[in-house]
Amino acid sequence: GDSVTQMEGPVTLSEEAFLTINCTYTATGYPSLFWYVQYPGEGLQLLLKATKADDKGSNKGFEATYRKETTSFHLEKGSVQVSDSAVYFCALSDLDDMRFGAGTRLTVKP
Amino acid sequence: EAGVAQSPRYKIIEKRQSVAFWCNPISGHATLYWYQQILGQGPKLLIQFQNNGVVDDSQLPKDRFSAERLKGVDSTLKIQPAKLEDSAVYLCASSLGRGRLGEQYFGPGTRLTVT
Repeated sequence: GDSVTQMEGPVTLSEEAFLTINCTYTATGYPSLFWYVQYPGEGLQLLLKATKADDKGSNKGFEATYRKETTSFHLEKGSVQVSDSAVYFCALSDLDDMRFGAGTRLTVKP
Repeated sequence: EAGVAQSPRYKIIEKRQSVAFWCNPISGHATLYWYQQILGQGPKLLIQFQNNGVVDDSQLPKDRFSAERLKGVDSTLKIQPAKLEDSAVYLCASSLGRGRLGEQYFGPGTRLTVT
């Protein structure tokens, strides 16, 4: 079945460092791809999404490009802040099913 | 716009007891989801409703878990009897539609601890 694999954490960076969190997927159809973020004590919030190949989702300085040829949707940010510390989930949705990766915990130190 | 509401936020019970969680989705959202998120893992779908009908409950342990959405709005998820391995965060989400374009909005979750 469809699945998502994302890089294991935890990831610890200094403020203003460059961030990449890798995500690859397996799907038989043409899924939409998402990044959700979960701040401590809160539910998941949609960070960005892409619905077709070559689409780039972006929000709050984060970007991810839907790469069909490499089945990837890597999350990037050029300069992270302490407030970006959270758990990030890659997910795909096809038909009626949304599948999540295991999550990557990011800690940004001042 | 009010978000997805869930209660309680925390619950501690002993094994073999029963527990119920409540969810109120965003107004107008026809689709409602319950997920189980075990510590260190991503959310796993338990059940999906479209209005008050079940679309997918293939991963719901039906011998102990039940869920309903009687009037197509609020929903309750029940566990009876609870086991230690049910300790997790139970997330409710809702969306306007179904399928690949149905962006889901999540509530804050209920953290269940079974002792």
